[in-house]
Amino acid sequence: TQLLEQSPQFLSIQEGENLTVYCNSSSVFSSLQWYRQEPGEGPVLLVTVVTGGEVKKLKRLTFQFGDARKDSSLHITAAQPGDTGLYLCAGGGGGGKLIFGQGTELSVKP
Amino acid sequence: DVKVTQSSRYLVKRTGEKVFLECVQDMDHENMFWYRQDPGLGLRLIYFSYDVKMKEKGDIPEGYSVSREKKERFSLILESASTNQTSMYLCASSLPGQGLFGGNIQYFGAGTRLSVL
Repeated sequence: TQLLEQSPQFLSIQEGENLTVYCNSSSVFSSLQWYRQEPGEGPVLLVTVVTGGEVKKLKRLTFQFGDARKDSSLHITAAQPGDTGLYLCAGGGGGGKLIFGQGTELSVKP
Repeated sequence: DVKVTQSSRYLVKRTGEKVFLECVQDMDHENMFWYRQDPGLGLRLIYFSYDVKMKEKGDIPEGYSVSREKKERFSLILESASTNQTSMYLCASSLPGQGLFGGNIQYFGAGTRLSVL
């Protein structure tokens, strides 16, 4: 069974700090997706990483896919209160389905 | 703009009631999903439908059933609601198949928070 484990599960930081969220698996994924879920809303896709070693940037967010395509990280620089939310990684589970990690709950205080 | 609409944001039901959660998408997607979201457990797949009248059990189908009579609509049914089904329910849709890179983007509704008393 393919599993994705995220760490940390909770993160509470002050505005302006940097942070990294990790998504790890013992299985190889052909791609990994990162979603953000804001309070009271459904998850929304942030990025898809496809190639081992790939780095993608979305403003202050940097996403990296591990060389072996078993892990990924999300780094946020100078976090802002608007970054608050639940961050989820997801990988292809076969047959059009996705496997989701448990999520990282981020709170950025002003 | 793509849209997945869940009929209720909040529902309160009594134990033993039959509960219907409705989801409609306007993107002509073949795939539709029902997830349950609980703190610390991420999103767990309840049922998946890849075409009208076609369905597949997910990881936690017990106590649930689904109906897909039209392409745009996917309903989740709790035959006899129980307190352990109190949760956030998320509906999603996506394009068919595996996609180019093994995982299609899923588009989510805003969720239905169900409380069973």
